[in-house]
Amino acid sequence: DTAVSQTPKYLVTQMGNDKSIKCEQNLGHDTMYWYKQDSKKFLKIMFSYNNKELIINETVPNRFSPKSPDKAHLNLHINSLELGDSAVYFCASSFRQAGLVFFGQGTRLTVV
Amino acid sequence: GENVEQHPSTLSVQEGDSAVIKCTYSDSASNYFPWYKQELGKRPQLIIDIRSNVGEKKDQRIAVTLNKTAKHFSLHITETQPEDSAVYFCAAGSPYNQGGKLIFGQGTELSVKP
Repeated sequence: DTAVSQTPKYLVTQMGNDKSIKCEQNLGHDTMYWYKQDSKKFLKIMFSYNNKELIINETVPNRFSPKSPDKAHLNLHINSLELGDSAVYFCASSFRQAGLVFFGQGTRLTVV
Repeated sequence: GENVEQHPSTLSVQEGDSAVIKCTYSDSASNYFPWYKQELGKRPQLIIDIRSNVGEKKDQRIAVTLNKTAKHFSLHITETQPEDSAVYFCAAGSPYNQGGKLIFGQGTELSVKP
């Protein structure tokens, strides 16, 4: 009955690989997000989708491509992984106009 | 650009004391100010929020205050307990205008010593 769930929880991969992180929410929210938390714990928004439409795309490299097949899912695909991509990636969701954002449990990505 | 400054970065208090964390935001259009608690290895969890039409909000031992004129908002935790130890984040946003985007402060690591 997890509200926002993402998989995998841990991901260790080599530089240059391509990887995906999946996210699903069962809260009926209309907006989903990807946030990145770096080693200094700083949380920064990457993308926001409202009803499957991309509405926020912060200055994120083109190697990062989100995909929202429906309102309940937002996946993140990363091409040509670099060492600097190592971080914890959080999926989140909300009702856009309500503001209350709920986070998934995070995916710790380590690029070696 | 949009920015949220949070301080202190670390805070150590004795059990039973109060803790105060302060944030300043730059975007005058911000009208929603949530606070999140993140325990080690866990997700950020919303603990309290305040909207711009309210100056103060309280929920048991935690309270938030907002000064829109000065663009300041603060989190107050009274009667702290060891389980309050965590990293606390403030955030600011304008859900109606910015697609739900939240700008987070840098975080405050709170340590409550028994």
